[in-house]
Amino acid sequence: GESVGLHLPTLSVQEGDNSIINCAYSNSASDYFIWYKQESGKGPQFIIDIRSNMDKRQGQRVTVLLNKTVKHLSLQIAATQPGDSAVYFCAETIGEYGNKLVFGAGTILRVKS
Amino acid sequence: NAGVTQTPKFQVLKTGQSMTLQCAQDMNHEYMSWYRQDPGMGLRLIHYSVGAGITDQGEVPNGYNVSRSTTEDFPLRLLSAAPSQTSVYFCATRGRTLAKNIQYFGAGTRLSVL
Repeated sequence: GESVGLHLPTLSVQEGDNSIINCAYSNSASDYFIWYKQESGKGPQFIIDIRSNMDKRQGQRVTVLLNKTVKHLSLQIAATQPGDSAVYFCAETIGEYGNKLVFGAGTILRVKS
Repeated sequence: NAGVTQTPKFQVLKTGQSMTLQCAQDMNHEYMSWYRQDPGMGLRLIHYSVGAGITDQGEVPNGYNVSRSTTEDFPLRLLSAAPSQTSVYFCATRGRTLAKNIQYFGAGTRLSVL
């Protein structure tokens, strides 16, 4: 994947509001799409994944939507909390057995109290 | 249960020096991988391994070597460090169960090459 630059997009939301983070992917052959959360100074942490034959999957306070027609993925976080502040990355699996992960550039989520 | 342990946490090298970044896991995961993360960017895959004795290249393998002699360890070697290799390096593991998309990342090694 090509870099989209040094400046990550930032989403600022009020505590308690819902957040929607968007991602465009490039590979139509990907089997899985995955969202990761990365807090400052830490490694990424798995949030939720969705298989390419699905269009919606729900977890605890999170929902992932997949639109294969326009190659778009979104992560919805309900009742956003200060602990949700982090950088969020989408990733897609490619290659044999999905052994390779290609990450997007990331979105910064800032939650205002 | 430590999960994924990376050492060192920080390292400063001079151009041309070599070093090995260590990654150890205690989850008996077969799959291990190395990523680098540059400012304002997502992670890029350097090398990965699907089991002991098996390694393969990722997106940005040049300048790095790996080996996988045991399930637990997956070291990353920089043969001759260059300033372009200044980055944060993450090791990750995953299993082969239904939760195979859940990769567990270490805390990272912050490397500066002067």
